[in-house]
Amino acid sequence: GEDVEQSLFLSVREGDSSVINCTYTDSSSTYLYWYKQEPGAGLQLLTYIFSNMDMKQDQRLTVLLNKKDKHLSLRIADTQTGDSAIYFCAESGANSGYALNFGKGTSLLVTP
Amino acid sequence: DTEVTQTPKHLVMGMTNKKSLKCEQHMGHRAMYWYKQKAKKPPELMFVYSYEKLSINESVPSRFSPECPNSSLLNLHLHALQPEDSALYLCASSQDGYGTGETQYFGPGTRLLVL
Repeated sequence: GEDVEQSLFLSVREGDSSVINCTYTDSSSTYLYWYKQEPGAGLQLLTYIFSNMDMKQDQRLTVLLNKKDKHLSLRIADTQTGDSAIYFCAESGANSGYALNFGKGTSLLVTP
Repeated sequence: DTEVTQTPKHLVMGMTNKKSLKCEQHMGHRAMYWYKQKAKKPPELMFVYSYEKLSINESVPSRFSPECPNSSLLNLHLHALQPEDSALYLCASSQDGYGTGETQYFGPGTRLLVL
């Protein structure tokens, strides 16, 4: 199957920016998502981007997509302790019948 | 409103029990999904219902039996589970039928422990 790769762990100080990176292999990827999961909770959709876009901004969140390199990033500005969670990158495309294909998740720790 | 609700929040069952998980959405979404998530792993797709018909069954053991009574409800019936089935069970829904690439919205999950 197609792969989605993320680094497993990121630690930042409160107030700094966080950047979580993701790479994928599916050339048919049409939609790319970022989900947030707090301990013991379900997945919260943070944002998504279509493959014909290269950037999307939503308040403190900025998503950048480099389609040529199949690289997606999520930048969180002014990171807060409440942002500590696991962040899953996911893609869907025709090759997978538009099923969600998740990365293993990046655990973000925000320290005071 | 993008709310998917799931009950119960927590469930403990023995290997001989029969129980059911329930998922509900009132957004008019036409596709509903069951995922299984083990600790520190991404969710794994189990079943997809599209327009109330089972579209995808990802080779899930028969001790898991999904049911879609109507377009708003999705159940997962559990029977003779094994301890390795202990996990967080997540329900999701998306606006159009499966295979259209519509965004999936997840519920809070049911944490299942099989003793």
